[in-house]
Amino acid sequence: DIVMTQAPLSVSVTPGESASISCRSSKSLLHSNGITYVYWYLQKPGKSPQLLIYRMSNLASGVPDRFSGSGSETDFTLKISRVEAEDVGIYYCGQLLENPYTFGAGTKLELK
Amino acid sequence: EVQLVETGGGLVQPGKSLKLTCATSGFTFSNAWMHWVRQSPEKQLEWVAQIKAKSNNYATYYAESVKGRFTISRDDSKSSVYLQMNSLKEEDTAIYYCTWGTGDYWGQGVMVTVSS
Repeated sequence: DIVMTQAPLSVSVTPGESASISCRSSKSLLHSNGITYVYWYLQKPGKSPQLLIYRMSNLASGVPDRFSGSGSETDFTLKISRVEAEDVGIYYCGQLLENPYTFGAGTKLELK
Repeated sequence: EVQLVETGGGLVQPGKSLKLTCATSGFTFSNAWMHWVRQSPEKQLEWVAQIKAKSNNYATYYAESVKGRFTISRDDSKSSVYLQMNSLKEEDTAIYYCTWGTGDYWGQGVMVTVSS
């Protein structure tokens, strides 16, 4: 199975500042079709996860452009510019390249 | 508006069975690849099962941890997907989410507690 390793496990950010979350996969997530199958999800307190970024760098519908995704074949970054109170929650990376799909352990974002 | 509503959760003894239902609306269900994902009390997400569309022969896939015990199925006429869970173990205790495609939409989740 592909292992997804996130860091840090928690981050505390001052509103208005930026935050970055890293995710590393144990295998390349770059498919032969040129698509990198890494996804980012945010679970706000008491809510279901929601899709933020798909295929490494594409913003899901309705997601503010303060969020961005980037990376290579095995190393990925979610960046949040100008963190707001509504960004609090747990961020997960996931790989949908092959079954079984797998997720990182999650990064909890809190406000200072 | 896309909606996914899970039902069927509850408290069950180890070794018993439970069937979850996910009723959907607001999208073309018959073309959708559907999944069940669970979240442990420690907040870890674990993909459980997938069922593809009729055009993919309704192919199914399972996590190793549930293979042979859980069965995913669908009824396109009812826009619903199901998860039959047999021989339940305490480690199956989790919130179970129904999700579509690549996690574009998730249900509200249903709690399954396996305990004697």
